[in-house]
Amino acid sequence: SQELEQSPQSLIVQEGKNLTINCTSSKTLYGLYWYKQKYGEGLIFLMMLQKGGEEKSHEKITAKLDEKKQQSSLHITASQPSHAGIYLCGADMYSGGSNYKLTFGKGTLLTVNP
Amino acid sequence: DTAVSQTPKYLVTQMGNDKSIKCEQNLGHDTMYWYKQDSKKFLKIMFSYNNKELIINETVPNRFSPKSPDKAHLNLHINSLELGDSAVYFCASSLRTGGAGTEAFFGQGTRLTVV
Repeated sequence: SQELEQSPQSLIVQEGKNLTINCTSSKTLYGLYWYKQKYGEGLIFLMMLQKGGEEKSHEKITAKLDEKKQQSSLHITASQPSHAGIYLCGADMYSGGSNYKLTFGKGTLLTVNP
Repeated sequence: DTAVSQTPKYLVTQMGNDKSIKCEQNLGHDTMYWYKQDSKKFLKIMFSYNNKELIINETVPNRFSPKSPDKAHLNLHINSLELGDSAVYFCASSLRTGGAGTEAFFGQGTRLTVV
């Protein structure tokens, strides 16, 4: 089963609309990361959340981690065509000893229509 | 200066061939990774190295062999390439192995096409 569930899988919005992408795990998330990927390119780091209840913002993007540290949301306000791409949540999953592996959800494909 | 660079960017090869992808990071990070992104854009971890030591090896066929000559480099060699190996392979690095607060930086990816 997927360790990190992301929803929705894809999203089409009109420019100027707000939207939310969710990322959920059945396990405690030790570090939660949001990345953006444009077609044919690498991943760009957006934000990192560590503490329960933490919230961070960058320009029009806000990310939150719930108090239980099992769910995160990414909210975009007044979306623009430049926000289009694939959004991926990643988390440090314990993998034994003192090691963690950075595991990703399946991504959300965001299309913003002008 | 590119932080994580991988070469080549595109690789087209025939089934049965052996190929290598190189990765270098100039961030001074201890940990490096290889990920495979399939046609549905799912990013799956393959290997992780910390200070040249293999620490994570997901269920990857042993045709795939990573090599880390020093902590700034992690190369991926693939033997006897199969059609199903076609994907985009990403190299990444992070300051340490994780456990909260160690974001990873990604290379631009290598698009491997096996024909």
